[in-house]
Amino acid sequence: DAKTTQPPSMDCAEGRAANLPCNHSTISGNEYVYWYRQIHSQGPQYIIHGLKNNETNEMASLIITEDRKSSTLILPHATLRDTAVYYCIVRVEESGGSNYKLTFGKGTLLTVNP
Amino acid sequence: ETGVTQSPTHLIKTRGQQVTLRCSSQSGHNTVSWYQQALGQGPQFIFQYYREEENGRGNFPPRFSGLQFPNYSSELNVNALELDDSALYLCASSLEVGRAGEQFFGPGTRLTVL
Repeated sequence: DAKTTQPPSMDCAEGRAANLPCNHSTISGNEYVYWYRQIHSQGPQYIIHGLKNNETNEMASLIITEDRKSSTLILPHATLRDTAVYYCIVRVEESGGSNYKLTFGKGTLLTVNP
Repeated sequence: ETGVTQSPTHLIKTRGQQVTLRCSSQSGHNTVSWYQQALGQGPQFIFQYYREEENGRGNFPPRFSGLQFPNYSSELNVNALELDDSALYLCASSLEVGRAGEQFFGPGTRLTVL
């Protein structure tokens, strides 16, 4: 799996958009970008994933650059409960394949301030 | 729908002892993965089970072993505990091996080895 680089920490004001960057310059054509978050003392939680098109769900939006070497997770209206460590992961997605693990880095600690 | 549950929540053992951690997968999920998370680090993949067979293993010694049962629940066993085994142990279930990027994590078991 391609390596990812994220800033160790970021701050965001409550109610504002939080934009979390991730660099994955060695990503391969068949690797997806996944985002998870981990609120203190809980297990990681899946947020969103994508291949090359931008994606949106009820939690967040994922913007992937055209060259796929970087992406941004957007929380449109951050709340205090969004304070967590956010992990960007790239992995091959294939049905019945042997790529079975998630490789976590240290992630970005997002602190949402009142 | 019941989420992923783990037991116990906390555990204290002494060096050299053996421990068994348990996980109940989310309803309908046939794949379970185990991760170790040391303080301040991202989760590290231990192994994965699919339909009662080990489907992949991370860089962990053989004293880390596992089982998956017909109802897809799972156990993680660690023999000859070492101080460095102190960590949060996370179980995650997913619907189908190879499409396991979206994993559902339990709250974890905090193991302390003295």
